[in-house]
Amino acid sequence: KNQVEQSPQSLIILEGKNCTLQCNYTVSPFSNLRWYKQDTGRGPVSLTIMTFSENTKSNGRYTATLDADTKQSSLHITASQLSDSASYICVVSADQNNDMRFGAGTRLTVKP
Amino acid sequence: EAGVTQFPSHSVIEKGQTVTLRCDPISGHDNLYWYRRVMGKEIKFLLHFVKESKQDESGMPNNRFLAERTGGTYSTLKVQPAELEDSGVYFCASSRRLDYEQFFGPGTRLTVL
Repeated sequence: KNQVEQSPQSLIILEGKNCTLQCNYTVSPFSNLRWYKQDTGRGPVSLTIMTFSENTKSNGRYTATLDADTKQSSLHITASQLSDSASYICVVSADQNNDMRFGAGTRLTVKP
Repeated sequence: EAGVTQFPSHSVIEKGQTVTLRCDPISGHDNLYWYRRVMGKEIKFLLHFVKESKQDESGMPNNRFLAERTGGTYSTLKVQPAELEDSGVYFCASSRRLDYEQFFGPGTRLTVL
């Protein structure tokens, strides 16, 4: 069983709408949690990074939250654009040595 | 600053053949990582170089996989002989320091027929 579980597996929304992606993890010890965006045919690009003491981090229209007690994170996308269509991957690092554990990702499609 | 580059972007080979993937990290990045994503699964760690030394190769699936980073610059990942289950996308990432952000390359899609 993967130590990082994401939901939903895929999501289709209309342009301009908001959406929220979920990430639950069991990785321990915990160092940090990142959300990556991966466009088709490209490598993952970091959107946000949060440590244990941070419970929210924003990057433009992307806002990530972290509840380290329940080991849950979410990524909220506001006013979606067509260019937001991509896979969003939750990655949890077990320690400072960058031992990263990846979720399988949520495939987001934004339609006009 | 140029990003992480990988070559080739796609490779289609037959079972039993050999394939070599190349990764050029961002200049000045001592840390280089290889990852693999098998169809429908999550990205998984393969190994980590610090300069030319293998820091952690715990994710390498078996001895058919050989990674090198001569001179601490670019790295190669050789699969010999390739098996059907080796198909997937192989990503390379680099970081300046161990606890710094990793920057990913576009990946090499390997298909073994």
